[in-house]
Amino acid sequence: GAVVSQHPSWVICKSGTSVKIECRSLDFQATTMFWYRQFPKQSLMLMATSNEGSKATYEQGVEKDKFLINHASLTLSTLTVTSAHPEDSSFYICSASDNYPYEQYFGPGTRLTVT
Amino acid sequence: ELKVEQNPLFLSMQEGKNYTIYCNYSTTSDRLYWYRQDPGKSLESLFVLLSNGAVKQEGRLMASLDTKARLSTLHITAAVHDLSATYFCAVDAGNQFYFGTGTSLTVIP
Repeated sequence: GAVVSQHPSWVICKSGTSVKIECRSLDFQATTMFWYRQFPKQSLMLMATSNEGSKATYEQGVEKDKFLINHASLTLSTLTVTSAHPEDSSFYICSASDNYPYEQYFGPGTRLTVT
Repeated sequence: ELKVEQNPLFLSMQEGKNYTIYCNYSTTSDRLYWYRQDPGKSLESLFVLLSNGAVKQEGRLMASLDTKARLSTLHITAAVHDLSATYFCAVDAGNQFYFGTGTSLTVIP
């Protein structure tokens, strides 16, 4: 149980285009979802936290207009990177929870490369 | 800003040996998490520590939390090659959630 999927697992896009990443909880209802980014050989950075039906809470320094997060249902959250640039290239990981702070389940990650 | 530091950053140890990874954080919190990450993969949750003095064990790994010292430890007992990975601690301080710097562990046969 407690499986979280992400789609796509990797994506290459051209600079200036937008990319949408989906995060789904497959066998539980995720009241809270989290989005992280990780640069090569670095730690993870929390980008935002979202609760179903509410606006996402962004961490300091994360551009809300650039990283659009939608948590439309208890099983789906999306991250859209708008007008992507090479510096947005990173590993994006989502996690989901139905009982935070007790547990959060991580998706397999999406590797984004912007050329 | 909440700071979460792990020590050591890199650890190479022989199979069968014991070692401890330390996680220090800079603000009051009683929510600390340990994760494992294999190369190119996402995170696997290892332990959730939610109170001072919490101790949890799973196999060869044991984690503890001292909220007064703002310190958590991840102890490895009789290491095996399969434990080679990067280990992260993470701290939830209410309105801040930060991962530690990570400890890259290599267990040598």
